[in-house]
Order: sequence, then C-alpha cells, then structure tokens
Amino acid sequence: IAGITQAPTSQILAAGRRMTLRCTQDMRHNAMYWYRQDLGLGLRLIHYSNTAGTTGKGEVPDGYSVSRANTDDFPLTLASAVPSQTSVYFCASSPQGTDTQYFGPGTRLTVL
Amino acid sequence: AQSVTQLDSQVPVFEEAPVELRCNYSSSVSVYLFWYVQYPNQGLQLLLKYLSGSTLVESINGFEAEFNKSQTSFHLRKPSVHISDTAEYFCAVSDGNTGKLIFGQGTTLQVKP
Repeated sequence: IAGITQAPTSQILAAGRRMTLRCTQDMRHNAMYWYRQDLGLGLRLIHYSNTAGTTGKGEVPDGYSVSRANTDDFPLTLASAVPSQTSVYFCASSPQGTDTQYFGPGTRLTVL
Repeated sequence: AQSVTQLDSQVPVFEEAPVELRCNYSSSVSVYLFWYVQYPNQGLQLLLKYLSGSTLVESINGFEAEFNKSQTSFHLRKPSVHISDTAEYFCAVSDGNTGKLIFGQGTTLQVKP
C-alpha cells in the first residue's frame, strides 16, 4: 500500500458504545492528525501527534482520545459515543516541517 | 488565534466560464496557505500551497491562487472550468511552527454543462 488507510469505511454505532477508528500510513511521516468534517463547519482538528510517543489536543478534543505507539499507526477512540459525534472522520499525515498534509479516505460514523 | 473565512458556501458556474473562490484569513504571525480539493466521497487532496517566494502559485490542472498580504486573502481562480472540477474546495492556514491546519468552512463548486 502507499499512503494512508482508514478503517472502517463506515460504521453505525449505538450511543454509549466504545469505538476505535484506525489509521495507518506507510510514508514514514512523523506527524499525524485526526479531523472531523461537519457540514458548514469545514474540518476541525481533534488530536494530533508530532512524532511517535507524543500527542496533543486540537480544537475539539472532548470525548476523544488517541495514542501513538509507533510511527505508522494513530488510532482514535471514542470511549462512550454520543449522537453529536456523528460525523466523517479524516486521518492525515505530514512529513516533518513541510506542512503539507496527506489525507486518508475517511470514516463515516453514525451514532444513534 | 488564526482563522479562515471562505466567503461563498456554493458557487454555481457554467462549463468553460471563469471562477473565483474567495478566502480570507486572520493571523498575527507569518502563515502558510493551502487550497485542498475534495471530490465526492473521497478524502482531501492538496491543490496548491503558498509557503514563501512568489505570491502567485499554480496547480497542475489550471488553478492558481495569489497571496495578498495587505488584504489577507488567498483567492483561488481558474480561467475556464470543466465539469470534472465539481468538488468541495477548502482553504487552510498554518503558522508553520505547529504544523496544524485551520480550515475554512468550504466552498462547493458546481460546474454546469
């Protein structure tokens, strides 16, 4: 593979359930990001990681957690999903210092 | 704090007509500016970017954008659009230090035959 993959492609989830969205990149990029996309709001940063072992909060981090155990993987976890987390989630990565971000295909999540 | 405003949520235009998608930003520091394109049911792809140097930047498919520091704008233009240009376009700003991008709300370009 080349680029960024996300799984699952789509998911319907009951409120209160735990869910992990997976993101893997094979470009050896140092930085990785999670965004949510909502109509009329564009993309908003949830969490980011500048390098393996470090993470940081973005604009809308509440209700989400991330980990960065290695360079390639950056999973996003919803500990107890709520309907307001219904969205399309995009993972992105960036080579250190260039600022250009490369995006995955997205995960469409519906919380009922 | 940085912010990005895309002034038009939807821009309908006929094929082969020119188009301009407007983007204004606010920032207290030097910025890097980007335009991303999202085709239906796909992720975002980089269209073009301004980091430094010439204020006019071009993409391989005929789009161009001009960085205007005095007007804090980075409008996207194309002299003649095609049906295949129909997509959502996002303007974004980064301060170059954190690597984090702030996106505008997006503009839907609808090219009609």
